[in-house]
Amino acid sequence: GQQVMQIPQYQHVQEGEDFTTYCNSSTTLSNIQWYKQRPGGHPVFLIQLVKSGEVKKQKRLTFQFGEAKKNSSLHITATQTTDVGTYFCAGPRGSQGNLIFGKGTKLSVKP
Amino acid sequence: DAGVTQSPTHLIKTRGQQVTLRCSPKSGHDTVSWYQQALGQGPQFIFQYYEEEERQRGNFPDRFSGHQFPNYSSELNVNALLLGDSALYLCASSLVGLRDSYNEQFFGPGTRLTVL
Repeated sequence: GQQVMQIPQYQHVQEGEDFTTYCNSSTTLSNIQWYKQRPGGHPVFLIQLVKSGEVKKQKRLTFQFGEAKKNSSLHITATQTTDVGTYFCAGPRGSQGNLIFGKGTKLSVKP
Repeated sequence: DAGVTQSPTHLIKTRGQQVTLRCSPKSGHDTVSWYQQALGQGPQFIFQYYEEEERQRGNFPDRFSGHQFPNYSSELNVNALLLGDSALYLCASSLVGLRDSYNEQFFGPGTRLTVL
């Protein structure tokens, strides 16, 4: 069945270092969404990418959607302790609207 | 503008019991989706309700059922609880019109269910 995979599972960085998480889908996606879940919290929507090769920036966060619309990445420049949490990518299941989530990348930042 | 609310926050049940979880969507949203998030995993889609009907369903047994009310709020019911049902249950609301769209989903704080 359709799968969404994320790597790495965990990432430990020193504050100020960069961080990247990668997302790969077994099928072409119409769009991809990214969510952040703080420890003990719930997923919070960050962004949605729709176009092939699309790149969007939110301050220190850069999101990219691959040309084939099967992979995506999230890059954080100069991490801060407030970036701590688990980052999930999610894509729609086939032609339906519900989402398939990756297992997430858990980011810890050492001050 | 209230976001998505869920109740209760935490719940402890024993195997074989039944549980009902509740969700009120974000104001203006008409669609409610339920997800199960096991520890260390991403949310897994259970089902989605729109216009008081189950619109889509994930790979969950019939022990999981739901309902949507005219005010768009929703309930998730789980019968014959198993230890493996212990998880964070998330409700997400969105606005989906007659044509499928992939709008962002607003998640509630979740209900932490523990089955002993």
